[in-house]
Amino acid sequence: AQRVTQPEKLLSVFKGAPVELKCNYSYSGSPELFWYVQYSRQRLQLLLRHISRESIKGFTADLNKGETSFHLKKPFAQEEDSAMYYCALSLRDGQNFVFGPGTRLSVLP
Amino acid sequence: GAVVSQHPSWVICKSGTSVKIECRSLDFQATTMFWYRQFPKQSLMLMATSNEGSKATYEQGVEKDKFLINHASLTLSTLTVTSAHPEDSSFYICSARTSPTYEQYFGPGTRLTVT
Repeated sequence: AQRVTQPEKLLSVFKGAPVELKCNYSYSGSPELFWYVQYSRQRLQLLLRHISRESIKGFTADLNKGETSFHLKKPFAQEEDSAMYYCALSLRDGQNFVFGPGTRLSVLP
Repeated sequence: GAVVSQHPSWVICKSGTSVKIECRSLDFQATTMFWYRQFPKQSLMLMATSNEGSKATYEQGVEKDKFLINHASLTLSTLTVTSAHPEDSSFYICSARTSPTYEQYFGPGTRLTVT
C-alpha cells in the first residue's frame, strides 16, 4: 500500500533561514507527488506538484526516486510561510490519494 | 477559478439523526470528487472517491452504509452521515478534480458535531 511519511510534526526556523520539510513515500510504481499548504483558517491548497517542476512562493521540491523522497525547500523563509504543509501521493490514474501526517512550519521573526 | 464550496460549514446534530453535507464545484465540472475526514491536529484521511454517475469507492474501514455518497451531477456531490453518533464528530472536507489533470481543489470543510 502507498504510504507517505513526514518525520517532523513541527519545524521552527527564523525568518531568512533556509527551510526543508521532509517527505518520504513508499510505493513501488511511479506516483505523482504533491505538496499542499494550509494557512491558518484557510482551505487546503496546492503548492507544488512534481511533474510541473516549478517554483511557487520560492519553494521547490525535487523528486528523488532513489531515496523515495520529495522534500520541500526554500532558501529564505518568510513569516508568511508559517502554515501546515502536507505531502501527498497519487497514483497515475489520479485515484488513491494519500496524505502525509503534515508538518507545521513556524517562521519566527 | 476552480472554486469548491461546501454547505453547511458547521452543523450540530443529535445522536441518531442523519446529516447531509453538500460539495459543489462552482466554476468547473468535476468528474471526480473526494471526501476526507480530518480529526483535530491530524492529517486528512480519504474516505471515498466518487465519479460522476457511478457508485463511490470507499476506503478500507469506511462504512458505506453509514457514509452515503452521491455524485449525481458534474458539480455536486453529497455526503450523508446516517444515524450519527458522537464519534462521527469531525471535520469533513471534499475536493474535486477535473479531467485530465490530477490537481484537486479543496472545499473549506464542514465541522460536524454530534451531541
